[in-house]
Amino acid sequence: GDSVTQMEGPVTLSEEAFLTINCTYTATGYPSLFWYVQYPGEGLQLLLKATKADDKGSNKGFEATYRKETTSFHLEKGSVQVSDSAVYFCALSVSSGGYIPTFGRGTSLIVHP
Amino acid sequence: ETGVTQSPTHLIKTRGQQVTLRCSSQSGHNTVSWYQQALGQGPQFIFQYYREEENGRGNFPPRFSGLQFPNYSSELNVNALELDDSALYLCASSLVPGPQETQYFGPGTRLLVL
Repeated sequence: GDSVTQMEGPVTLSEEAFLTINCTYTATGYPSLFWYVQYPGEGLQLLLKATKADDKGSNKGFEATYRKETTSFHLEKGSVQVSDSAVYFCALSVSSGGYIPTFGRGTSLIVHP
Repeated sequence: ETGVTQSPTHLIKTRGQQVTLRCSSQSGHNTVSWYQQALGQGPQFIFQYYREEENGRGNFPPRFSGLQFPNYSSELNVNALELDDSALYLCASSLVPGPQETQYFGPGTRLLVL
């Protein structure tokens, strides 16, 4: 079946450091790829998405590129802030006899001042 | 614009009981999905409803069932509760079904089964 693998957390960084959170996937179809973020005490919200190979999703300084050849969708940000502390979920969805989304386990990011 | 709301926020049940969780979709959204999120895990897809019909189902037993109403509110019903059903249950709505669609999540209902 489909699966999403994210790097284990927590990831701990100092403010203004460079962030990478790795995400790789396996999928039977041609998936759309997503990053969702869950801030403390809040529900999940979409951070960015990409729907075809080589597309780059971007939002709030975060970027991720859909790499079909390496089945990856790594999340990056050039300079993190304390307010970026949250749990980040990589997800994919395919339409295979109905809608089937798959989420990774989440990666906790802690940014220190 | 009203976001996705869920009720109740917390619930405690005992093993073998039945529970109904409720969700109100974001205005204009005709598609709703339900997820189970265990502590420290990512959301696991239970099922999706579109125009009151099931449009996809994850690997959950039949005792997990759902309904979507004409006003696009929905329910998740779980029968014969087991201890492992303790989790955060998330509802998410989208404008239309489809793998490219953005989902808008509610805050969740935390269920504890004793």
